Amino acid sequence: GAGVSQSPRYKVAKRGQDVALRCDPISGHVSLFWYQQALGQGPEFLTYFQNEAQLDKSGLPSDRFFAERPEGSVSTLKIQRTQQEDSAVYLCASSLVLGSSYNEQFFGPGTRLTVL
Amino acid sequence: DQQVKQNSPSLSVQEGRISILNCDYTNSMFDYFLWYKKYPAEGPTFLISISSIKDKNEDGRFTVFLNKSAKHLSLHIVPSQPGDSAVYFCAASAVQRGTYKYIFGTGTRLKVLA
Repeated sequence: GAGVSQSPRYKVAKRGQDVALRCDPISGHVSLFWYQQALGQGPEFLTYFQNEAQLDKSGLPSDRFFAERPEGSVSTLKIQRTQQEDSAVYLCASSLVLGSSYNEQFFGPGTRLTVL
Repeated sequence: DQQVKQNSPSLSVQEGRISILNCDYTNSMFDYFLWYKKYPAEGPTFLISISSIKDKNEDGRFTVFLNKSAKHLSLHIVPSQPGDSAVYFCAASAVQRGTYKYIFGTGTRLKVLA
C-alpha cells in the first residue's frame, strides 16, 4: 500500500505489561513522527526521527516511553510497565523531506491502546 | 496552556450551505497552518494549508483564511456535503529542533445534514 500503516490497530494490555507499537511509513519518507491522542483531544507530539536519528523526544511523557527507527524506515514505539493513563490512540506520521515548502505529514490509522 | 484552540466542539450545517470552522492561536512564531480531517477509526487526512505570509488559500470547495493580527484562522467549506461530516483539526507549525513541529487543536465535529 502507498500509505502509512500501523500495527496492531487495537491493543489491550494489563497494567504493568510492556507493549510495542509498529509504524511503517511511506517509502522514501525521511521524517517520522509519533503522536498520542487522548479521547476528545487533538494529537500531541511525542517524538520525531529524521532517518534513523531521533532528533526530538521532548514529548515523551516519561522514561517508560521509548521509540526507535534503527534502519531509517520502520519505527517502533515501546511503552514499558503500562499505566491506565497511557490509554490513547497512538498515531504515526511521515513526511518526505525537511524544509520542503509543502511539509504535509501523512498519518497512519493509529493504534488504540487500552490499559486495564 | 493550549497554543491552538478550537472553541467549538461541534457544528451542524445543512447540506449545500457554508460551513465555517474557527481556530485561534497564541504563538506568533507559527509560520504554517494546516487543517486535517478525521473520520472514525482512521488517521487524520491533510485537507488544506496556508503559509503565514498569505491571508487566503483556496482549493476547490475549501478555503482557509488567516488573520495574523487577530491570531485567527478559519476554514470555509462551500457547499457543504454529507461526506464532509468528520472531525476537523486545526494545526499550527514552527521549525523546532530540525523539523516542523505541529501543535493541534482539540477538533471540531462537523455534521452536514442531508
